[in-house]
Amino acid sequence: QVTLKESGPVLVKPTETLTLTCAVSGFSLSHPTMGVSWIRQPPGKALEWLAHIFSNDQKSYGTSLESRLTISKDTSKSQVVLSMTNMDPVDTATYYCARIVRDGYNRFSWVDPWGQGILVTVSS
Amino acid sequence: QSALTQPASVSGSPGQSITISCTGTSSDVGTYNLVSWYQQHPGKAPKLVIYEVTERPSGISYRFSGSKSGNTASLTISGLQAEDEADYYCCSYATSRTLIFGGGTKLTVL
Repeated sequence: QVTLKESGPVLVKPTETLTLTCAVSGFSLSHPTMGVSWIRQPPGKALEWLAHIFSNDQKSYGTSLESRLTISKDTSKSQVVLSMTNMDPVDTATYYCARIVRDGYNRFSWVDPWGQGILVTVSS
Repeated sequence: QSALTQPASVSGSPGQSITISCTGTSSDVGTYNLVSWYQQHPGKAPKLVIYEVTERPSGISYRFSGSKSGNTASLTISGLQAEDEADYYCCSYATSRTLIFGGGTKLTVL
């Protein structure tokens, strides 16, 4: 059974850097077609894809936040870490990590399952 | 890049069918058969219900089906049940090697 679980601070101050960890089980981060994505959802609003990483260390970032995001992985620990700099109250959201699958052409196909999410509030 | 366009809300009575549209561009939905749909109940994480436009994951009811024409993908739910009431999001791979989500559609079962 594949599971993912997010952890990190639930409250950060404006201008601080947010660091979230995703612990995965049931699949290996060295799998050639599976990776981990981070997606967020502000309260009452839509989903927004942030970033993902695959076994060959291929990374992609959402264009609107690319300059603030860094994604990395520790395959031996089965963990993926997302950092977001210069946090602002508008970044208040539930942050999800999820398994992402790519097809034979190295394109991203679907995202499932998702972790339970972690609500991060940005406030002084 | 802009979010994919979905209607804010749709509704239907039990037993009826509803369709949710998802409009993108030639840089995403129109070019790639890599559209997926997610169901999200209040306070819960999203769940995959359709992938690669028409494919249904194991365990998902046959009542859920997907299609695509040009730049618009669609999710159809037949035989509506109360448990189908949720938010639904479409998602597509894009030329920029990113994923784009739709704005979400709230389904109300009357």
